[in-house]
Amino acid sequence: GNSVTQMEGPVTLSEEAFLTINCTYTATGYPSLFWYVQYPGEGLQLLLKATKADDKGSNKGFEATYRKETTSFHLEKGSVQVSDSAVYFCALSDKAAGNKLTFGGGTRVLVKP
Amino acid sequence: NAGVTQTPKFQVLKTGQSMTLQCAQDMNHNSMYWYRQDPGMGLRLIYYSASEGTTDKGEVPNGYNVSRLNKREFSLRLESAAPSQTSVYFCASGLAGPYEQYFGPGTRLTVT
Repeated sequence: GNSVTQMEGPVTLSEEAFLTINCTYTATGYPSLFWYVQYPGEGLQLLLKATKADDKGSNKGFEATYRKETTSFHLEKGSVQVSDSAVYFCALSDKAAGNKLTFGGGTRVLVKP
Repeated sequence: NAGVTQTPKFQVLKTGQSMTLQCAQDMNHNSMYWYRQDPGMGLRLIYYSASEGTTDKGEVPNGYNVSRLNKREFSLRLESAAPSQTSVYFCASGLAGPYEQYFGPGTRLTVT
């Protein structure tokens, strides 16, 4: 079956530091890949997505590139802010598995001033 | 455009009580989903509805039932609540296909 593995947190950073959250996946088909963000007390919001190999998704200074050869979709941001403190989820949607989303366990990020 | 709405936001139940969580979307999406979120376990799919009139089990359906009332509304029912169902429940909707889903704000349920 499908699965998503992402690095465990919490990740604690200082403001303006570089952030990387690793995500790797296993899928039976050719999935679409997503990063969602959950701010405290809120639901999940789509942060960015990529639907085919070598696509780069980007939003709010975050980027992730769909790497089919390494089955990875790592999230990066060059200079984090306190407001980026949240839980980040990597996910995939695979037509071969009925298009349901499969989530990683989430990575909590805490940015300190 | 409210997106996905859920009621209630918070609920406390005693073991054995029943309740229904309500979800509605105004984005004309065909597909709707119910997830539960537990610490360290990400989101797990309980039930989903690929289109109006159809429902299917997800990863953790035991103890739950669902109703797709119409294209907008998808409810989740706990017939006899158990402490193991203490969780945060999220409803989501999306277009048919391998596309993103849009999430509601969640319902925090505690079963004592």
